[in-house]
Amino acid sequence: DTGVSQDPRHKITKRGQNVTFRCDPISEHNRLYWYRQTLGQGPEFLTYFQNEAQLEKSRLLSDRFSAERPKGSFSTLEIQRTEQGDSAMYLCASSLWPRREKAGNTIYFGEGSWLTVV
Amino acid sequence: GDSVTQMEGPVTLSEEAFLTINCTYTATGYPSLFWYVQYPGEGLQLLLKATKADDKGSNKGFEATYRKETTSFHLEKGSVQVSDSAVYFCALRGTASKLTFGTGTRLQVTL
Repeated sequence: DTGVSQDPRHKITKRGQNVTFRCDPISEHNRLYWYRQTLGQGPEFLTYFQNEAQLEKSRLLSDRFSAERPKGSFSTLEIQRTEQGDSAMYLCASSLWPRREKAGNTIYFGEGSWLTVV
Repeated sequence: GDSVTQMEGPVTLSEEAFLTINCTYTATGYPSLFWYVQYPGEGLQLLLKATKADDKGSNKGFEATYRKETTSFHLEKGSVQVSDSAVYFCALRGTASKLTFGTGTRLQVTL
């Protein structure tokens, strides 16, 4: 499978614990994005990387959240001291920049990592 | 900032009915427009896209035309199937690199 891969798919954790999600983008995609989606809502942008550089962070990304992409390939999203409000699906996506496809700029999503904080 | 407004759901249709899901947007510059589909418990799949005004994106019988004059990108399908039941998200990608999504429209197709 050459799509965007996320792990774990589901995580249940107790409030106050730390959790980490991993994302493996499509091979050769240099841009990697993290989004959060709560029930009944559209995905909300959290942050994105170009290679290993984190280029933009949303205000949604509080100090308890940290994302890394140390070698410009896979990425991790860590949430420290989880709260019940962190319960959501965390989506990873990737794309190739600059655009090389004829139609350009398609962002491909993984299947998401569900987080439940109890 | 960029924003996307979709018609609220759920939309319930009988199989073979005509589907329209409205989407309008606000953005600076000339955004690219997308429709993504999400099946229960899954991530997002790109359904179709259009990168400039008057482009028509199409896939699996779905179509949407980029209308700059009305800032719209309505999704249509002539004859829906039960398997089309899902949540549909309209999105734009403007001068920033990220996608901005609407809140989604749930479609339920019944026999």
